Amino acid sequence: QKEVEQNSGPLSVPEGAIASLNCTYSDRGSQSFFWYRQYSGKSPELIMFIYSNGDKEDGRFTAQLNKASQYVSLLIRDSQPSDSATYLCAGLYQKVTFGTGTKLQVIP
Amino acid sequence: EAGVVQSPRYKIIEKKQPVAFWCNPISGHNTLYWYRQNLGQGPELLIRYENEEAVDDSQLPKDRFSAERLKGVDSTLKIQPAELGDSAVYLCASRGNTEAFFGQGTRLTVV
Repeated sequence: QKEVEQNSGPLSVPEGAIASLNCTYSDRGSQSFFWYRQYSGKSPELIMFIYSNGDKEDGRFTAQLNKASQYVSLLIRDSQPSDSATYLCAGLYQKVTFGTGTKLQVIP
Repeated sequence: EAGVVQSPRYKIIEKKQPVAFWCNPISGHNTLYWYRQNLGQGPELLIRYENEEAVDDSQLPKDRFSAERLKGVDSTLKIQPAELGDSAVYLCASRGNTEAFFGQGTRLTVV
């Protein structure tokens, strides 16, 4: 079992819709979780991090963490074509461990 | 403030040749990571430094890969000799208290 798991997608949503990206993790020692966005041919870019149970909102992005279920999600409201990218979930317990990423396609 | 700086951006070498990558982390970040990312995959950790000490190198292929972080700041990652399967993007990241930031990466092509 991988330490951080994501559905590889692609996840396709129409422009203006809510995109929901999900991630599960196996190491209960993980302290913080990160969502990175990666455009093709570019390096990962940090969008948000969360370490407390519940929701954390930043503009159109909301990260959700449920430690009991070992589940992290990222919601993108009012999705734009420029949001089309691969979204990497990562957990921190001494080292930062990444999932394989979910490819998001926002259809104009 | 400058981010994580890596060089070179691209490198093409023949198999069996050596290659080195350089990383300058964000000032004040004690933790430095080297990751390798293959196409369509998430980054995979090669080595983690806390200051100048390599605290996790369990995923580093030690027969051909080596790394150093002298003085706990800049770091180099070396491959000698390179193999075709080493073609990937090599990412350096640094972390202060919480989040990790990445450099632009070095895209290595071994032919």
